[in-house]
Amino acid sequence: QKEVEQDPGPLSVPEGAIVSLNCTYSNSAFQYFMWYRQYSRKGPELLMYTYSSGNKEDGRFTAQVDKSSKYISLFIRDSQPSDSATYLCAMSEGEYGNKLVFGAGTILRVKS
Amino acid sequence: KAGVTQTPRYLIKTRGQQVTLSCSPISGHRSVSWYQQTPGQGLQFLFEYFSETQRNKGNFPGRFSGRQFSNSRSEMNVSTLELGDSALYLCASSLASYNEKLFFGSGTQLSVL
Repeated sequence: QKEVEQDPGPLSVPEGAIVSLNCTYSNSAFQYFMWYRQYSRKGPELLMYTYSSGNKEDGRFTAQVDKSSKYISLFIRDSQPSDSATYLCAMSEGEYGNKLVFGAGTILRVKS
Repeated sequence: KAGVTQTPRYLIKTRGQQVTLSCSPISGHRSVSWYQQTPGQGLQFLFEYFSETQRNKGNFPGRFSGRQFSNSRSEMNVSTLELGDSALYLCASSLASYNEKLFFGSGTQLSVL
Protein backbone atom coordinates (compact mmCIF):
# COMPACT_ATOMS: atom_id res chain seq x y z
CA GLN A 1 0.00 0.00 0.00
CA LYS A 2 1.30 3.44 -0.92
CA GLU A 3 1.83 6.08 1.76
CA VAL A 4 -0.31 8.53 -0.20
CA GLU A 5 -3.32 7.47 -2.24
CA GLN A 6 -4.86 9.70 -4.91
CA ASP A 7 -7.48 8.81 -7.51
CA PRO A 8 -5.83 9.32 -10.92
CA GLY A 9 -9.10 10.20 -12.65
CA PRO A 10 -9.52 11.59 -15.21
CA LEU A 11 -12.10 13.94 -13.72
CA SER A 12 -14.14 15.82 -16.31
CA VAL A 13 -16.32 18.80 -15.30
CA PRO A 14 -18.11 21.64 -17.10
CA GLU A 15 -16.75 25.17 -16.89
CA GLY A 16 -17.91 26.94 -13.73
CA ALA A 17 -18.26 23.76 -11.67
CA ILE A 18 -16.82 23.25 -8.21
CA VAL A 19 -14.07 20.65 -8.29
CA SER A 20 -13.13 18.46 -5.34
CA LEU A 21 -9.79 16.64 -5.33
CA ASN A 22 -8.74 14.34 -2.51
CA CYS A 23 -5.88 12.36 -1.06
CA THR A 24 -5.63 9.91 1.81
CA TYR A 25 -2.46 8.93 3.60
CA SER A 26 -1.27 6.36 6.09
CA ASN A 27 1.74 8.02 7.73
CA SER A 28 0.56 9.88 10.83
CA ALA A 29 3.91 11.71 11.00
CA PHE A 30 3.03 13.89 8.00
CA GLN A 31 2.67 17.50 9.14
CA TYR A 32 2.99 19.61 5.99
CA PHE A 33 0.56 19.29 3.12
CA MET A 34 0.79 20.74 -0.36
CA TRP A 35 -1.06 20.80 -3.63
CA TYR A 36 0.77 21.18 -6.91
CA ARG A 37 -0.56 21.69 -10.43
CA GLN A 38 1.32 20.24 -13.37
CA TYR A 39 0.69 21.08 -17.00
CA SER A 40 1.89 18.78 -19.76
CA ARG A 41 5.67 18.94 -20.29
CA LYS A 42 6.09 21.31 -17.33
CA GLY A 43 7.26 20.95 -13.75
CA PRO A 44 4.80 21.00 -10.82
CA GLU A 45 3.66 24.46 -9.67
CA LEU A 46 2.90 25.02 -5.97
CA LEU A 47 -0.74 26.00 -5.38
CA MET A 48 -1.31 25.56 -1.66
CA TYR A 49 0.92 24.92 1.38
CA THR A 50 -0.58 24.14 4.77
CA TYR A 51 0.64 22.99 8.14
CA SER A 52 -1.32 20.55 10.29
CA SER A 53 -5.13 20.48 10.25
CA GLY A 54 -7.49 23.20 9.09
CA ASN A 55 -8.53 25.18 6.04
CA LYS A 56 -6.65 27.62 3.85
CA GLU A 57 -8.13 29.73 1.08
CA ASP A 58 -6.38 31.48 -1.81
CA GLY A 59 -8.59 32.98 -4.49
CA ARG A 60 -10.62 30.20 -6.11
CA PHE A 61 -8.67 27.49 -4.26
CA THR A 62 -9.39 26.07 -0.79
CA ALA A 63 -7.25 23.41 0.87
CA GLN A 64 -8.53 21.33 3.76
CA VAL A 65 -6.55 19.02 6.01
CA ASP A 66 -8.14 16.54 8.43
CA LYS A 67 -5.31 14.81 10.25
CA SER A 68 -7.67 12.73 12.38
CA SER A 69 -9.01 11.08 9.22
CA LYS A 70 -5.69 11.30 7.33
CA TYR A 71 -7.52 13.04 4.50
CA ILE A 72 -6.77 16.20 2.54
CA SER A 73 -8.82 18.00 -0.09
CA LEU A 74 -8.46 20.76 -2.65
CA PHE A 75 -11.55 22.63 -3.84
CA ILE A 76 -11.54 24.73 -6.99
CA ARG A 77 -14.44 27.15 -7.39
CA ASP A 78 -15.67 28.50 -10.72
CA SER A 79 -13.41 26.11 -12.63
CA GLN A 80 -11.95 27.34 -15.93
CA PRO A 81 -10.60 25.46 -18.97
CA SER A 82 -7.17 26.79 -17.97
CA ASP A 83 -7.46 24.71 -14.77
CA SER A 84 -7.18 21.56 -16.91
CA ALA A 85 -4.02 19.90 -15.63
CA THR A 86 -2.77 17.16 -13.31
CA TYR A 87 -3.14 17.97 -9.62
CA LEU A 88 -0.68 16.37 -7.23
CA CYS A 89 -0.95 16.23 -3.46
CA ALA A 90 2.31 16.11 -1.53
CA MET A 91 3.22 15.69 2.12
CA SER A 92 6.22 15.79 4.38
CA GLU A 93 7.05 14.81 7.95
CA GLY A 94 8.92 18.01 8.61
CA GLU A 95 12.52 16.91 8.43
CA TYR A 96 15.74 18.30 7.08
CA GLY A 97 16.08 17.68 3.40
CA ASN A 98 12.63 18.82 2.26
CA LYS A 99 11.57 15.29 1.31
CA LEU A 100 8.08 15.28 -0.18
CA VAL A 101 5.93 12.19 -0.73
CA PHE A 102 3.57 12.67 -3.66
CA GLY A 103 0.26 11.17 -4.63
CA ALA A 104 -0.11 9.74 -8.14
CA GLY A 105 -1.89 12.87 -9.38
CA THR A 106 -5.46 13.46 -10.61
CA ILE A 107 -6.02 14.49 -14.23
CA LEU A 108 -8.64 17.26 -14.38
CA ARG A 109 -10.40 18.34 -17.57
CA VAL A 110 -12.63 21.41 -17.52
CA LYS A 111 -14.87 21.57 -20.57
CA SER A 112 -15.92 24.92 -22.01
CA LYS B 1 12.98 36.74 -11.00
CA ALA B 2 14.12 33.76 -13.04
CA GLY B 3 12.77 30.37 -12.07
CA VAL B 4 14.55 27.05 -11.71
CA THR B 5 16.49 26.23 -14.88
CA GLN B 6 17.26 22.67 -15.91
CA THR B 7 19.45 21.62 -18.80
CA PRO B 8 19.21 19.86 -21.11
CA ARG B 9 15.45 19.58 -21.64
CA TYR B 10 15.69 16.32 -23.55
CA LEU B 11 18.33 13.62 -23.58
CA ILE B 12 18.63 10.26 -25.32
CA LYS B 13 21.16 7.73 -24.08
CA THR B 14 21.81 4.02 -24.48
CA ARG B 15 22.04 1.38 -21.79
CA GLY B 16 25.32 1.34 -19.93
CA GLN B 17 26.14 4.99 -20.56
CA GLN B 18 26.22 7.65 -17.90
CA VAL B 19 24.49 11.02 -17.87
CA THR B 20 24.81 14.32 -16.03
CA LEU B 21 21.89 16.69 -15.56
CA SER B 22 22.20 20.29 -14.45
CA CYS B 23 20.02 22.54 -12.30
CA SER B 24 20.30 26.25 -11.53
CA PRO B 25 18.08 27.25 -8.59
CA ILE B 26 16.18 30.47 -8.09
CA SER B 27 18.54 33.25 -7.09
CA GLY B 28 18.99 33.23 -3.31
CA HIS B 29 17.79 29.66 -2.87
CA ARG B 30 20.34 27.42 -1.20
CA SER B 31 18.52 24.08 -1.22
CA VAL B 32 18.21 21.91 -4.31
CA SER B 33 16.17 18.69 -4.42
CA TRP B 34 15.92 16.13 -7.19
CA TYR B 35 12.90 14.00 -8.05
CA GLN B 36 12.22 11.28 -10.61
CA GLN B 37 8.81 11.19 -12.30
CA THR B 38 7.57 8.12 -14.18
CA PRO B 39 4.06 7.08 -15.26
CA GLY B 40 4.21 3.98 -13.07
CA GLN B 41 5.80 5.31 -9.88
CA GLY B 42 4.90 8.98 -10.03
CA LEU B 43 7.17 11.52 -8.37
CA GLN B 44 9.86 10.04 -6.14
CA PHE B 45 12.44 11.85 -4.04
CA LEU B 46 16.06 11.24 -5.00
CA PHE B 47 18.11 13.55 -2.74
CA GLU B 48 18.49 17.07 -1.44
CA TYR B 49 21.52 19.32 -1.11
CA PHE B 50 21.97 22.38 1.05
CA SER B 51 25.19 24.36 1.22
CA GLU B 52 26.99 21.66 -0.76
CA THR B 53 25.97 18.94 1.72
CA GLN B 54 23.53 16.12 1.08
CA ARG B 55 20.86 16.43 3.79
CA ASN B 56 18.46 13.70 2.77
CA LYS B 57 18.35 10.76 0.37
CA GLY B 58 15.60 8.62 -1.13
CA ASN B 59 15.56 4.91 -1.86
CA PHE B 60 17.50 4.82 -5.09
CA PRO B 61 20.59 2.75 -5.93
CA GLY B 62 24.07 4.19 -5.70
CA ARG B 63 24.14 4.70 -9.46
CA PHE B 64 22.25 7.91 -8.75
CA SER B 65 24.43 10.62 -7.27
CA GLY B 66 24.53 14.36 -7.07
CA ARG B 67 26.49 17.33 -5.93
CA GLN B 68 26.03 21.00 -5.26
CA PHE B 69 28.45 23.79 -5.97
CA SER B 70 29.22 26.87 -3.91
CA ASN B 71 26.89 28.97 -6.10
CA SER B 72 24.05 26.53 -5.24
CA ARG B 73 23.90 25.09 -8.74
CA SER B 74 23.51 21.33 -8.68
CA GLU B 75 24.24 18.38 -10.91
CA MET B 76 22.81 14.89 -10.86
CA ASN B 77 24.62 11.92 -12.32
CA VAL B 78 23.32 8.50 -13.28
CA SER B 79 25.90 5.85 -14.13
CA THR B 80 25.42 2.59 -15.99
CA LEU B 81 22.02 3.58 -17.34
CA GLU B 82 19.20 1.04 -17.40
CA LEU B 83 16.02 1.10 -19.47
CA GLY B 84 14.04 1.75 -16.28
CA ASP B 85 15.90 5.01 -15.74
CA SER B 86 13.85 6.60 -18.52
CA ALA B 87 11.94 9.34 -16.73
CA LEU B 88 11.41 13.04 -16.24
CA TYR B 89 14.00 14.28 -13.77
CA LEU B 90 12.84 17.32 -11.85
CA CYS B 91 14.87 19.73 -9.82
CA ALA B 92 13.32 21.91 -7.14
CA SER B 93 14.83 24.76 -5.18
CA SER B 94 13.93 26.35 -1.87
CA LEU B 95 15.29 28.96 0.49
CA ALA B 96 16.34 26.55 3.20
CA SER B 97 16.49 22.87 3.98
CA TYR B 98 13.61 22.53 6.42
CA ASN B 99 9.88 22.53 5.65
CA GLU B 100 10.28 24.97 2.84
CA LYS B 101 8.12 25.53 -0.21
CA LEU B 102 9.65 23.83 -3.23
CA PHE B 103 9.71 25.46 -6.66
CA PHE B 104 10.23 23.07 -9.56
CA GLY B 105 11.93 23.43 -12.91
CA SER B 106 10.47 22.02 -16.15
CA GLY B 107 12.65 18.94 -15.90
CA THR B 108 14.96 16.92 -18.11
CA GLN B 109 13.26 14.15 -20.08
CA LEU B 110 15.70 11.24 -20.23
CA SER B 111 15.13 8.37 -22.62
CA VAL B 112 17.32 5.27 -22.33
CA LEU B 113 17.36 3.04 -25.40
